[in-house]
Amino acid sequence: DIQMTQSPSSLSASVGDRVTITCRASESINNYLNWYQQRPGKAPRLLIYGASSLQSGVPSRFSGSASGTDFIFTISSLQPEDFATYYCQQSSSTPYTFGQGTKLEIK
Amino acid sequence: QLQLQESGPGLVKPPETLSLTCTVSGGSISSTAYYWAWIRQPPGKGLEWIASIYYSRTTYYNPSLRSRVTIFIDTSKNQFSLELNSVTAADTAMYFCARHSLRGGCNIWGQGTLVTVSS
Repeated sequence: DIQMTQSPSSLSASVGDRVTITCRASESINNYLNWYQQRPGKAPRLLIYGASSLQSGVPSRFSGSASGTDFIFTISSLQPEDFATYYCQQSSSTPYTFGQGTKLEIK
Repeated sequence: QLQLQESGPGLVKPPETLSLTCTVSGGSISSTAYYWAWIRQPPGKGLEWIASIYYSRTTYYNPSLRSRVTIFIDTSKNQFSLELNSVTAADTAMYFCARHSLRGGCNIWGQGTLVTVSS
């Protein structure tokens, strides 16, 4: 199985801050990397697919980038509704695997 | 727009079989562009992909659950289903159904259904 190592596991930030979350794959995944947002009690929501493509309807303050097996997710200016848990997922090969999640909290 | 809705018992006794169905509305489950998946999340924990199926009945399973899981599709009813046998308390989780493209992310999700395994 491809292991996805996501960091940090939690993060405190303020409205307006720029935040980054990283995810490292244990082997090459050819940029088949997705990012999700999950609010409490809700299903995950796809934000970024293919490492850097913005899903339709997702605000442009969300972005993703890749460098080899390292992936970065960025929120350029935090909004109140962005405080949630974020997951990366590789969809290169089955079993599709997720990172452990990053809980983004209000400072 | 396309929507997914999970249904099934909220309580299952060990070591019985957990059976869930996902009903697709607002679109066809026979689309050649998409796959249909089950994903679960134990309380307070992360996400685990269980299995995916294509309209042609091609299936993909997580090896960690393969011996206990079956995913199947009924195109006439626009539904796909999950069976997980020999359940234990470790199978207690929110179960989500979702749609994804080949090597793409899950872009549509059901709201999830909580299944508790307890005697």
